[in-house]
Amino acid sequence: DVKVTQSSRYLVKRTGEKVFLECVQDMDHENMFWYRQDPGLGLRLIYFSYDVKMKEKGDIPEGYSVSREKKERFSLILESASTNQTSMYLCASIPLGNSYNSPLHFGNGTRLTVT
Amino acid sequence: KQEVTQIPAALSVPEGENLVLNCSFTDSAIYNLQWFRQDPGKGLTSLLLIQSSQREQTSGRLNASLDKSSGRSTLYIAASQPGDSATYLCAVPSSPTDSWGKLQFGAGTQVVVTP
Repeated sequence: DVKVTQSSRYLVKRTGEKVFLECVQDMDHENMFWYRQDPGLGLRLIYFSYDVKMKEKGDIPEGYSVSREKKERFSLILESASTNQTSMYLCASIPLGNSYNSPLHFGNGTRLTVT
Repeated sequence: KQEVTQIPAALSVPEGENLVLNCSFTDSAIYNLQWFRQDPGKGLTSLLLIQSSQREQTSGRLNASLDKSSGRSTLYIAASQPGDSATYLCAVPSSPTDSWGKLQFGAGTQVVVTP
């Protein structure tokens, strides 16, 4: 069974702090994603990666960066946290091969509050 | 850009009734459609994936149909149970050429099944 693990369930940070959200998957998936989920706005794609050291912007990349140094790990970085980045952050992964038939696997989410 | 709508936004039924959840999308050139379940404060769990060549997919009490030409999918849950209480989301690739995790999500249908 695929497991996507997000290191923190809840985080509280101060405005201006640099924040790291970590995600690890154990199924050797090539593609990994960071979404954020907000009431009334649904899920929106921040960044994704289709290979080690490869990344592409999603729909709302402003204020975020990512790092993928190893295949199993995909980190989301908030360079200088702001209150409008308070949200639920969801990491997901999917294999590259046979992706038409493969569901997206999500982690349990990290609820980030920026004060 | 692909837009996904889910109706109704919320649904409350007594235990034992069948559930019917609707999803519509604006661009019919999709490769697949996925249904997810989300429990409060948790990540998303994949329920069913329907490929574009399929008309329906079944898993236990769940059945999802897909009508690409009309841009609609329906999730049926037979003989509902209190444990089915959750938010159900549908998702399709963001554009006709995207099929590997870059998804456009509906806002979800919040379901409550009362004992």
